[in-house]
Amino acid sequence: AQRVTQPEKLLSVFKGAPVELKCNYSYSGSPELFWYVQYSRQRLQLLLRHISRESIKGFTADLNKGETSFHLKKPFAQEEDSAMYYCALSSGGSNYKLTFGKGTLLTVNP
Amino acid sequence: GAVVSQHPSWVICKSGTSVKIECRSLDFQATTMFWYRQFPKQSLMLMATSNEGSKATYEQGVEKDKFLINHASLTLSTLTVTSAHPEDSSFYICSASGPTRVEQFFGPGTRLTVL
Repeated sequence: AQRVTQPEKLLSVFKGAPVELKCNYSYSGSPELFWYVQYSRQRLQLLLRHISRESIKGFTADLNKGETSFHLKKPFAQEEDSAMYYCALSSGGSNYKLTFGKGTLLTVNP
Repeated sequence: GAVVSQHPSWVICKSGTSVKIECRSLDFQATTMFWYRQFPKQSLMLMATSNEGSKATYEQGVEKDKFLINHASLTLSTLTVTSAHPEDSSFYICSASGPTRVEQFFGPGTRLTVL
């Protein structure tokens, strides 16, 4: 069975500080990993996915198959980054079902 | 980007009644639609996956007779909560993916409260 673990429910940093949101996964095949973000009172939206290897809003995430991790990082956090972040795994197949972690609420303080 | 809408955004109903929630892809054809349930301060739990024109595939533990899903067209899927009870109160979110299937676009969610 596939599983996504986000060990931190809450993460609080100051503006300008580096931030890392942890995500570990369990899956026997070749996973596709995603980070979704949900800003206050807004819908869930895709932040980035590992296959594209792009940086969105200054965030990056590297898939580490050895450590089965996909941590989300940003060198200098901004107040507007405050949101709920979900790590998700897709096993591919015909429907690309997503398994979500429980989420980490990031608060960036001024 | 692709837009998914849900209607209604919130609904209050009496115990024992049925409630229908609509999910529409506004500017793309949704090959697959997904229905999630989210409890307060918790993650999204996938309830079912539906492909246009075929029966929905339900996740383990989800009662298919209670949560009826219809995906009649490439732009519309509906979730009907039948004989709703207070424990069905939750936030229901749909998402849709197009032919590439990789990215899911999420609706804003529907808050269901059963009295």
